[in-house]
Amino acid sequence: KNEVEQSPQNLTAQEGEFITINCSYSVGISALHWLQQHPGGGIVSLFMLSSGKKKHGRLIATINIQEKHSSLHITASHPRDSAVYICAASQETSGSRLTFGEGTQLTVNP
Amino acid sequence: DAGVTQSPTHLIKTRGQHVTLRCSPISGHKSVSWYQQVLGQGPQFIFQYYEKEERGRGNFPDRFSARQFPNYSSELNVNALLLGDSALYLCASSWEGNSNQPQHFGDGTRLSIL
Repeated sequence: KNEVEQSPQNLTAQEGEFITINCSYSVGISALHWLQQHPGGGIVSLFMLSSGKKKHGRLIATINIQEKHSSLHITASHPRDSAVYICAASQETSGSRLTFGEGTQLTVNP
Repeated sequence: DAGVTQSPTHLIKTRGQHVTLRCSPISGHKSVSWYQQVLGQGPQFIFQYYEKEERGRGNFPDRFSARQFPNYSSELNVNALLLGDSALYLCASSWEGNSNQPQHFGDGTRLSIL
């Protein structure tokens, strides 16, 4: 069992739909990261959170420390949101090392 | 300010050769981490360097080595290349080396082994 697991692996949505990607982790964390990777390969950091909820534009990230679970929500999805979304955990004893999930391939159709 | 820059962007090598990949962190960032991402999978941790010292090493063979220079740039070296080393190699930098720092990624070096 991977230390960080995501679901679903693939997600197809119609433009305007509300999207949720889930992340579960089995290790103690100091922070949970949500990242976006476009086909070219570069990774952009979306959120880093250790408790509660963060919002940036149409993106919302939540975390439940007790349940070791985090979600990334996209409201009013748009084709330009199509990308791979990855969650990653950082642990207090591991410096800046990130342990990644496998990623969720999101496709938003017009 | 420039982001994390990696060079080269693409590289083609043959089995048995060696390769050096380079990473320049964001100005002021002292921590650099290297990751390997095989197609269809999440990145896997290779090394972390902070203040020119190795702070962590992932489950990779000794063919993989790295170093960090006084200007905080870093090199990843891979010897005796195997077909399985074909991957996207990502570099990430942060201000400090602890676990509560946002990570900034470069665009990666895509390495193909023939």
